[in-house]
Amino acid sequence: GAGVSQSPSNKVTEKGKDVELRCDPISGHTALYWYRQSLGQGLEFLIYFQGNSAPDKSGLPSDRFSAERTGGSVSTLTIQRTQQEDSAVYLCASSLVSWEDTDTQYFGPGTRLTVL
Amino acid sequence: GESVGLHLPTLSVQEGDNSIINCAYSNSASDYFIWYKQESGKGPQFIIDIRSNMDKRQGQRVTVLLNKTVKHLSLQIAATQPGDSAVYFCAENLGPLTFGKGTHLIIQP
Repeated sequence: GAGVSQSPSNKVTEKGKDVELRCDPISGHTALYWYRQSLGQGLEFLIYFQGNSAPDKSGLPSDRFSAERTGGSVSTLTIQRTQQEDSAVYLCASSLVSWEDTDTQYFGPGTRLTVL
Repeated sequence: GESVGLHLPTLSVQEGDNSIINCAYSNSASDYFIWYKQESGKGPQFIIDIRSNMDKRQGQRVTVLLNKTVKHLSLQIAATQPGDSAVYFCAENLGPLTFGKGTHLIIQP
């Protein structure tokens, strides 16, 4: 079946502009995660959605970052007033159940964001 | 700081040889670990996982070993092939995945 998809694959924006990144999880997966990967680094957790529960936002680096998940499926990560340090690959993952059940997370291809 | 990390940023092996990629963790409460493979321009791909009640798990050409005494795990790839060239991450699942910086596996012909 289809895996996790993300769009756009690449986004170039100017400093100060807002951007929206989209994630379509695997159908039927209740948990959705956003991570950020800076050049040559490991992945940094941003936010986690599980079903209809309030999201875990503990990894968001600033209040310029927000995310929504509509209808328990598609998620949008929004970065307001982008800064150059926001440049990174933003990865989305989904899993069948919650992380408390240590379920395998499957990743999308990522969105490469470049802030000029 | 990070609780999971890999020993070497780059590992170069000859095609056909076995590869061993190491990972150390510091959280003794960690009970579930995952190895991911990330090829250039792609998201991480699940390879194999292991829970703390096991010390070895085998997949196709891959074996993960867990030593809880020294908080170390390793990924062994048998008969390394060109398609194995990628960055390998170990991740610790204590909620959100905590990743190390990764080891870049380079295959020499």
